[in-house]
Amino acid sequence: EIVLTQSPGTLSLSPGERATLSCRASQTVYTSYLAWYQQKPGQAPRLLIYGASSRATGIPDRFSGSGSGTDFTLTISRLEPDDFAVYYCQQYGSSPRTFGQGTKVEIK
Amino acid sequence: QVQVQQWGAGLLKPLETLSLTCGVYGGSFSAYYWSWIRQAPGKGLESIAEIDQSGTTYYNPSLKSRVMISVDTSRSQFSLKLTSLTAADTGVYYCARGRGFSFVYSGWGQGTLVTVSS
Repeated sequence: EIVLTQSPGTLSLSPGERATLSCRASQTVYTSYLAWYQQKPGQAPRLLIYGASSRATGIPDRFSGSGSGTDFTLTISRLEPDDFAVYYCQQYGSSPRTFGQGTKVEIK
Repeated sequence: QVQVQQWGAGLLKPLETLSLTCGVYGGSFSAYYWSWIRQAPGKGLESIAEIDQSGTTYYNPSLKSRVMISVDTSRSQFSLKLTSLTAADTGVYYCARGRGFSFVYSGWGQGTLVTVSS
């Protein structure tokens, strides 16, 4: 099973700032099958990024993903008020599919 | 756009069996992979069970002895059964649609809060 470790656990930033979230895998993620999701309280997660760097339908271009192998990054270029939420990475290249423990982006 | 909507009992007793169903609307059921995911209170996401377009199933090893995913293609539905429930199974359960033939989840059900308590 691939274990995904996200850092930091909590990111305290102000609107307009840049957010950089990290996801490290315990072994190589098959063909960069790495996704990022956003989750707000009481809601289902929403897909942001798949294939490590491809934006899902309707996702603004301030969200970008990068990385390969075992190290992946989600960057939010300029935080908007709606972006404060919990973010999860997920590897979907091997079974069982696994998620990171999440990074909370909170308003400073 | 393909939508998913889920239903099932949310309050169960220890040792009972959880049964949830997810209905698929507005698209071809056979064009996607399907999954169940759960989230314990205040915790992260955990994959429970998956099924691909050929009917091959994948289970989380930690739950494999207690879980089953099945499909009813004629009704465009898929279901989850989880047996021998304990309090540790309490949480929100989601059904999800894969993005095409993949297990990256681009469509989610509304979630069902499952509480296991005597």
